[in-house]
Amino acid sequence: QLQESGPGVVKPSETLSLTCTVSGVSLSSSSYYWGWIRQPPGKGLEWIGNVVWSGVTHYNSSLASRVTISVDTSKNQIYLKMRSVTAADTAVYYCARLPPDRDDSWGQGTLVTVSS
Amino acid sequence: ETVMTQSPVTLSVSPGETVILSCRASQSISDDLAWYQQKPGQAPRLLIYGASTRDTGIPARFSGSGSGTEFTLTVSSLQSEDSATYYCQEYNNWPAMYTFGQGTKLEIK
Repeated sequence: QLQESGPGVVKPSETLSLTCTVSGVSLSSSSYYWGWIRQPPGKGLEWIGNVVWSGVTHYNSSLASRVTISVDTSKNQIYLKMRSVTAADTAVYYCARLPPDRDDSWGQGTLVTVSS
Repeated sequence: ETVMTQSPVTLSVSPGETVILSCRASQSISDDLAWYQQKPGQAPRLLIYGASTRDTGIPARFSGSGSGTEFTLTVSSLQSEDSATYYCQEYNNWPAMYTFGQGTKLEIK
């Protein structure tokens, strides 16, 4: 199971920071990638990036300059940091196991609103 | 970058009917395609991966087919709980890139 956590409101130009806690599987023994996906209100899904247990990351090129994804296998957590946020970054942020495969797993999502 | 185009954007059908949703890739993605169902306020739920393999617990009413650039999701014997938005997702270049279609909103009358 995956559970996202973090502030629900972030001010414009500041950094959005989210944590995804993974339970039921050890990140250090998993060959899956663990990713972040977001969904602005009323809109579609956008892949942000993903990380594997060794720390190797891949990012959506449209967001790569502002995003850092990391992993802490000792805590079984993955992290998202997005810098210089604007109102366009207001969205529900999901963490998920990737690629899609048997017994797929997504978090419930957390709404982050960018507002002063 | 592969562009995924879904059609139709919205549709309304009656219970018991069968519906076919389409997803087209701008370039060949082999069978690296997934279908998700999303209901309001919920996370997406994986229905199909590998273009045609149902995830655990997904009813046989849901079936996927296709390869290359053309894919379909068929939902038969439609029920009221099938009202949702359906997304396709390609992962042919994973882990470096995943792309979603814009979604098809299905309403059961």
